[in-house]
Amino acid sequence: QKEVEQNSGPLSVPEGAIASLNCTYSDRGSQSFFWYRQYSGKSPELIMFIYSNGDKEDGRFTAQLNKASQYVSLLIRDSQPSDSATYLCAVKGGYNKLIFGAGTRLAVHP
Amino acid sequence: GAGVSQSPSNKVTEKGKDVELRCDPISGHTALYWYRQSLGQGLEFLIYFQGNSAPDKSGLPSDRFSAERTGGSVSTLTIQRTQQEDSAVYLCASSLVGGFGTGLSYEQYFGPGTRLTVT
Repeated sequence: QKEVEQNSGPLSVPEGAIASLNCTYSDRGSQSFFWYRQYSGKSPELIMFIYSNGDKEDGRFTAQLNKASQYVSLLIRDSQPSDSATYLCAVKGGYNKLIFGAGTRLAVHP
Repeated sequence: GAGVSQSPSNKVTEKGKDVELRCDPISGHTALYWYRQSLGQGLEFLIYFQGNSAPDKSGLPSDRFSAERTGGSVSTLTIQRTQQEDSAVYLCASSLVGGFGTGLSYEQYFGPGTRLTVT
């Protein structure tokens, strides 16, 4: 079992809709969770982090964490074509290294 | 302020040659990380530096890979006797601090990467 799992997609949503990206992790002791956005040919860009159970909102983005279910998600409201990218879920491992999922490709169509 | 910089942006080398990849972290960031992103493996951790020391080298795939950091700043990743399976994008990231805590100081910011192609 991979440490961090994501559906590779593509997830296709119409402009203005809510995009829901999901991630599960295997280490029950994990404490810190991150969402990075990666445009094609570019490096990952940090968009959200969450440490506590529940929801964390930042603009159009909401991260949700459920440690009991070992599940973290990212919701993107009012999706725009510019949101089309690969979204990487990462879990903090020992010494602050990040353990990444394979990423979910999101396509927002006009 | 300046972000993480890496050089070269692209490197094409012949199988068996040695290559050096450079990373210049964000000024003041004490922690530096190397990752590798390839089509088959996703984004994987290679090595972590705190200052000039590397307490976690667990991701280095073989003894052909080594890295050093000097002056608590610039880091060089060296790959000896390159193989075709080394072809990937090598990404460097830095954070204000490293270790086992949580919070804004631990957030990692990535450089643009070096695309390595071994022919």
